[in-house]
Amino acid sequence: QQPVQSPQAVILREGEDAVINCSSSKALYSVHWYRQKHGEAPVFLMILLKGGEQKGHEKISASFNEKKQQSSLYLTASKLSYSGTYFCGLNRGSQGNLIFGKGTKLSVKP
Amino acid sequence: EAEVAQSPRYKITEKSQAVAFWCDPISGHATLYWYRQILGQGPELLVQFQDESVVDDSQLPKDRFSAERLKGVDSTLKIQPAELGDSAMYLCASSLGDLAKNIQYFGAGTRLSVL
Repeated sequence: QQPVQSPQAVILREGEDAVINCSSSKALYSVHWYRQKHGEAPVFLMILLKGGEQKGHEKISASFNEKKQQSSLYLTASKLSYSGTYFCGLNRGSQGNLIFGKGTKLSVKP
Repeated sequence: EAEVAQSPRYKITEKSQAVAFWCDPISGHATLYWYRQILGQGPELLVQFQDESVVDDSQLPKDRFSAERLKGVDSTLKIQPAELGDSAMYLCASSLGDLAKNIQYFGAGTRLSVL
């Protein structure tokens, strides 16, 4: 079952913060976050394993709430380069493959 | 930095024709994936290989799609015959195959347009 991402789109000014959420109705082994720029391949950002850990990449961090089966991606002090579509991918562990959400389109304006 | 190679980058074909896409994963990656991404959507898994064996092809439309990875390295995805609804980006990804982490690295994709 496909994870639900929210919001679908967000527009920011440089320096502003944003939160992207990813929810699942089923138990997870891990949550993967990717960013895809228009016409390019999805690029791996970070992985959150079971245990509620928090990870960081530049000024982008994420958390994984195992009880709620929800992950959140936090973008602080956004840069123009953060623009793109962010996807969460859920690993339910059966074969290690990922089920992706529909994505959240982030646009950072000067 | 090692990358997943895909070709061609773009393919335009007429419906009912056959098309083929090629993928060369990162060296040493045992697991290879083919995804289809429709505009505005997330990637959807078509087939997963572990070495040369198919692990998951439950979402592959087997009446027209086929995939192979004969020597457990590069892979080919074929569509025959192509239909208008097959227009999409076809992405290949590879990983080391660690079930717990399984970080996947994507190629640039092949954008298919069926006329």
